[in-house]
Amino acid sequence: ETGVTQTPRHLVMGMTNKKSLKCEQHLGHNAMYWYKQSAKKPLELMFVYNFKEQTENNSVPSRFSPECPNSSHLFLHLHTLQPEDSALYLCASSQRGDSSYEQYFGPGTRLTVT
Amino acid sequence: QKEVEQDPGPLSVPEGAIVSLNCTYSNSAFQYFMWYRQYSRKGPELLMYTYSSGNKEDGRFTAQVDKSSKYISLFIRDSQPSDSATYLCAPRGSNYQLIWGAGTKLIIKP
Repeated sequence: ETGVTQTPRHLVMGMTNKKSLKCEQHLGHNAMYWYKQSAKKPLELMFVYNFKEQTENNSVPSRFSPECPNSSHLFLHLHTLQPEDSALYLCASSQRGDSSYEQYFGPGTRLTVT
Repeated sequence: QKEVEQDPGPLSVPEGAIVSLNCTYSNSAFQYFMWYRQYSRKGPELLMYTYSSGNKEDGRFTAQVDKSSKYISLFIRDSQPSDSATYLCAPRGSNYQLIWGAGTKLIIKP
């Protein structure tokens, strides 16, 4: 595997379910990001981890819970989501979270909340 | 007012045309300006970036920044069907995070 991978690619879940999204980067980077992408809207930065420490949390509801066990892996735990949470969730990585301009993205997880 | 404004399109042009994609921004402190390209069912990838005002050319692509009018442009010469994608502008903020436009969907018709 190369670059940034995300699993699953598609997820349909009910509002009472609990699920997790997984991201893995094979680039030796030290920063990882979660973004939400909705149609015709700018990417919304959700969380940033720099050297495994969370450095950004952009007022994301607590029903989204990130976990970064090491610099290569990032999870987004989901519970009691709302239909408006349906979107493409993108993971990205960069050399560092405080100075890099190039972020490498995974293909995303298309989430549908029913 | 949004920090970065970008027309979502779609913009449809014939193959071989010159394409102009644009963004406006509100924060005069932005210094780095990125253009990302996103193909369908893929994540965005960095296309090119510029620092401060001026032009930068890379093959058929030219990025232009006019800081006096807070206007960012990406020009594509001799457009190809393979250029069909969504193009996102993203200035870099003072905390090094990217401030994203909504993206313009570009369709190049053969």
